[in-house]
Amino acid sequence: QVQLQESGPGLVKPSQTLSLTCTVSGGSISSGSYYWSWIRQSAGKGLESIGHIYTSGSTNYNPSLKSRVIISLDTSKNQFSLELSSVTAADTAVYYCARRIRGSYGMDVWGQGTTVTVSS
Amino acid sequence: QSVLTQPPSVSGAPGQRVTISCTGSSSNIGAGYDVHWYHQVPGTAPKLLIYGNSNRPSGVPDRFSGSKSGASASLAISGLQAEDEADFYCQSYDSSLSVVFGGGTKLTVL
Repeated sequence: QVQLQESGPGLVKPSQTLSLTCTVSGGSISSGSYYWSWIRQSAGKGLESIGHIYTSGSTNYNPSLKSRVIISLDTSKNQFSLELSSVTAADTAVYYCARRIRGSYGMDVWGQGTTVTVSS
Repeated sequence: QSVLTQPPSVSGAPGQRVTISCTGSSSNIGAGYDVHWYHQVPGTAPKLLIYGNSNRPSGVPDRFSGSKSGASASLAISGLQAEDEADFYCQSYDSSLSVVFGGGTKLTVL
């Protein structure tokens, strides 16, 4: 059974880069046809897609965040990562990683989420 | 403002049936992209409830059903139970194949 776990700093200073890692256990990140995704949720707000990376390494980002986002795969560590640059208080949120199977299957596996606060 | 529009809240008494709408446009649901539904108990991660418009993952009761027509989709919950209280989100895709979500609907069981 595949499980995902987010990790990274819980506090980031304004203008710096937010870096998070999602560790995949119970399966290989490089096998199968999966989209490895990042989603965030600000306090009391709805879900916002940040972007995803396909098993092949191709990426797709939310147009509103595209200029600041990089999602990458590290198959040797069975992890994928998120970098969000030039952060502001508006980037304070719970960040989730999730898996989506290629085709019309939705995001079937989610991490528990990690809270990131942007503050000096 | 979310790309997909959901009512902020719905409510119903135990045993009743409620529906949650998800309205998109010709750029997303109306373009033929499928809709998925998630439920989220506050403080926990979302869970997949319906995929591909109307399919239930293993373990999801058949009290939950989904449908799609044109640029809209709906989630129906019958035989409402107290433990159904949660936030519900619809999700689809836009023409650039980016993932888009609805703003979420809070279900209250009276």
